[in-house]
Amino acid sequence: ETGVTQTPRHLVMGMTNKKSLKCEQHLGHNAMYWYKQSAKKPLELMFVYNFKEQTENNSVPSRFSPECPNSSHLFLHLHTLQPEDSALYLCASSQDRAGLSYEQYFGPGTRLTVT
Amino acid sequence: TQLLEQSPQFLSIQEGENLTVYCNSSSVFSSLQWYRQEPGEGPVLLVTVVTGGEVKKLKRLTFQFGDARKDSSLHITAAQPGDTGLYLCAGENTGFQKLVFGTGTRLLVSP
Repeated sequence: ETGVTQTPRHLVMGMTNKKSLKCEQHLGHNAMYWYKQSAKKPLELMFVYNFKEQTENNSVPSRFSPECPNSSHLFLHLHTLQPEDSALYLCASSQDRAGLSYEQYFGPGTRLTVT
Repeated sequence: TQLLEQSPQFLSIQEGENLTVYCNSSSVFSSLQWYRQEPGEGPVLLVTVVTGGEVKKLKRLTFQFGDARKDSSLHITAAQPGDTGLYLCAGENTGFQKLVFGTGTRLLVSP
């Protein structure tokens, strides 16, 4: 039990669809992250939110739109995706503690397939 | 751009064998974390090493941070099928709220 849940676990969508991924953390953390994990590539950081404010956008295409309404919830809105966007999308959270490591706790991921 | 290269990329061994996974960079990190990811799940944190030369043990797993804090290793003694998974190292820099993940080592331990 990592304390970070993601829904849905699997998603198949067409290139013209609009869908959203949801992440919820039950650990009382104040930072949340979206990562993309593709085959044969290192984990790619997409977005970072700290106390609901976006602090990092790693040059992610605008067809991915994050939303963080509070420190416990994070969404990733998807629209007009491309087949190369098919991947495992992971959410993580951490506690911002000055001077200490940002150990991250991951959810199980959403396996996205774009057809 | 900071990079963390892991070796080997793939490792298939028999139960009971020992193995070492390496995580190397030309950059210095303030700390380094190791994660294990099983199929269909997210990575799970195993350990964080902070001090150059630090050694930490987690049952049959031994983690070491290089003296210069540019590299790390993970040694598994008497591997078991339950050790199967993707092992990821991740480097962190003080003041930057993000990790640099390694390329990953996929381990398969057969009974």
